[in-house]
Parts: sequence; C-alpha cells; structure tokens
Amino acid sequence: DAKTTQPNSMESNEEEPVHLPCNHSTISGTDYIHWYRQLPSQGPEYVIHGLTSNVNNRMASLAIAEDRKSSTLILHRATLRDAAVYYCILRDEGETSGSRLTFGEGTQLTVNP
Amino acid sequence: GAVVSQHPSRVICKSGTSVKIECRSLDFQATTMFWYRQFPKQSLMLMATSNEGSKATYEQGVEKDKFLINHASLTLSTLTVTSAHPEDSSFYICSASQPFRTQYFGPGTRLLVL
Repeated sequence: DAKTTQPNSMESNEEEPVHLPCNHSTISGTDYIHWYRQLPSQGPEYVIHGLTSNVNNRMASLAIAEDRKSSTLILHRATLRDAAVYYCILRDEGETSGSRLTFGEGTQLTVNP
Repeated sequence: GAVVSQHPSRVICKSGTSVKIECRSLDFQATTMFWYRQFPKQSLMLMATSNEGSKATYEQGVEKDKFLINHASLTLSTLTVTSAHPEDSSFYICSASQPFRTQYFGPGTRLLVL
C-alpha cells in the first residue's frame, strides 16, 4: 500500500478555516485519496474522497495537487465538534472487491474556543 | 452516509470466557466487512477481511482460531473472541463495504477482560 504522511497534530481556532495536509509521493494511478476522521471513543467517520479533481461536500473540501503527490483537507469553519483525529488514506480502487484501508497515525486536530 | 451498527457497545467479561460482537449494515448489502482493533492512543489495525459466504482472510499475526469471524449474510458479520484474556481488552471496530464504494464504520465495541 502506498503510504501517506501527515503532521501529528494541528491547532485551530473556532470558526476559522483549517487546512490539513497530507503527502503521498508514491501514489499510484488507481489510488483514490480518502479522508476519515475519528472522534474520541467512536468509529471512523467518512469525510471525503477524490482522485484528481478537487472535491466539495457538506463536510469539507479536498484539494488535490496537480501531480497528486499531496492533498489538503479543508474545513471551512472549524467548530468544537470538528476536534478529532483526521486520517488521510490511499485506497486502490482497481480491486474488484471491497478494498482495505490502511490507517496511519493521522493528525490530531484541536479546536480552541 | 450508510449506517453500520455494532452490538454490544461495551462488554466486560471474565478471563477465559468468549465474547461475540455483531456488526450490521443497516441500509445496504455489504459484500465485504472488515474488523479492526484499536488500542489506547494508537491507530486502527486491520485484523481480518471477510466476504459474504467465504472464509475470512486474517492479517499476519492475528490468530484465526482465537478471533472467529462469520459473515453469513450481506448485512451481518460476527467476531467472536474466544478464551479472552486481559491483553485482548481493546476497542473493536467493524466496517462494511461494497465494491468500488465508500467503506463505512460502526461505532465500535469496547471490550474489557478482567
């Protein structure tokens, strides 16, 4: 599995935008970039995913570099409920069966009131 | 997003007993279900992958005779921790998926073995 690199932790203030970076220099052509987040004592929650183009949904935006070797998850206005560990994961969509997710250490986001 | 449930949410058992954890996909048919384990302050570690109607594939270092997985239907998978010991105390999380679709996670089951 291609690996991702994320900062261990980041801090933000409430109602400010947050940019969470992820490096994935060994990404392959069939790897989608997935973001999940995990709140304390809960299972991971799907946030967003993309392949090449930037993506937006109600939770966040995903900006993907042109060479696909890095991406950034953007939370437009952080709230206290966004405090979580954010995982950037590459998933090979070339497999026909449900393909595995390999979790790294993720980024612990702290949101200050 | 899709809903995946787990039962029980937490369980306390005595050493040597077996514990069964259920994982259900409530609003879609999951051809594949995954079981993860998470120790405090650590990331999720994949234990096994199960496809409906076939035997589970276990990750290296995970004992298949200790962690029994059954995926008898497209909406239900069970993980049985046999002869549980204190070192098996952990947060067990399942996820469910269809081919080429997003993987959705359950809320997790916290197991404490005394």
